[in-house]
Amino acid sequence: DIQMTQSPSSLSASVGDSVTFTCRASQSIGSFLNWYQQIPGKAPKLLIYYATSSLEGGVPSRFSGSRSGTDFTLTISSLQPEDFATYYCQQSYSTPYTFGQGTKLEIK
Amino acid sequence: QVQLQESGPGLAKPSGTLSLTCVVSDVSISSNNWWSWVRQPPGKGLEWIGEIYHEGSTVYNPSLRSRVSISVDTSKNQFSLKLSSVTAADTAVYYCARLVGQKFDSWGQGILVTVSS
Repeated sequence: DIQMTQSPSSLSASVGDSVTFTCRASQSIGSFLNWYQQIPGKAPKLLIYYATSSLEGGVPSRFSGSRSGTDFTLTISSLQPEDFATYYCQQSYSTPYTFGQGTKLEIK
Repeated sequence: QVQLQESGPGLAKPSGTLSLTCVVSDVSISSNNWWSWVRQPPGKGLEWIGEIYHEGSTVYNPSLRSRVSISVDTSKNQFSLKLSSVTAADTAVYYCARLVGQKFDSWGQGILVTVSS
């Protein structure tokens, strides 16, 4: 199985801050990397797919993704109150699809 | 916008079988998508269980393959999950989701299944 490792496991920030999460794949997955946001008690919501793409109309432009080899980042610029949640990366390069352990974004 | 809704018992007995159904609305389950089950133990991360295509092809997570069966009923626009020989470790919120273009773009609200006697 492809292992996905996210860092940090948690992060404290303030409204208006810019934050970056990292996800590393245990082997090459091309750009088959998705990012999800999960609010407690809710289902995950797709934010970024294919490492850098976002769904039109569904995700604010402050969310962006990037890739460098097997390292992937999710950046949220100018945090809003509704952004405090847990973020998961997921590889769709091969089955079994695997998720990172998540990064919990908390209000400072 | 596709809608997915899980249903089934919220309680399963140890060594028994967990059975859930996901009803798909506003899109045909026979469209060119794969339909998946994903679970999340309380306070933990997400685990992909397996997926099915409308013609019946399945792919399972090897960690669960011996206990999992996913089926589809195109006449009812739904697909189902059966997980046998359950233990407390199978207690989780179970989500159904659509995989399109290698991304899970739509999810059900999730259903908590507790394994307990």
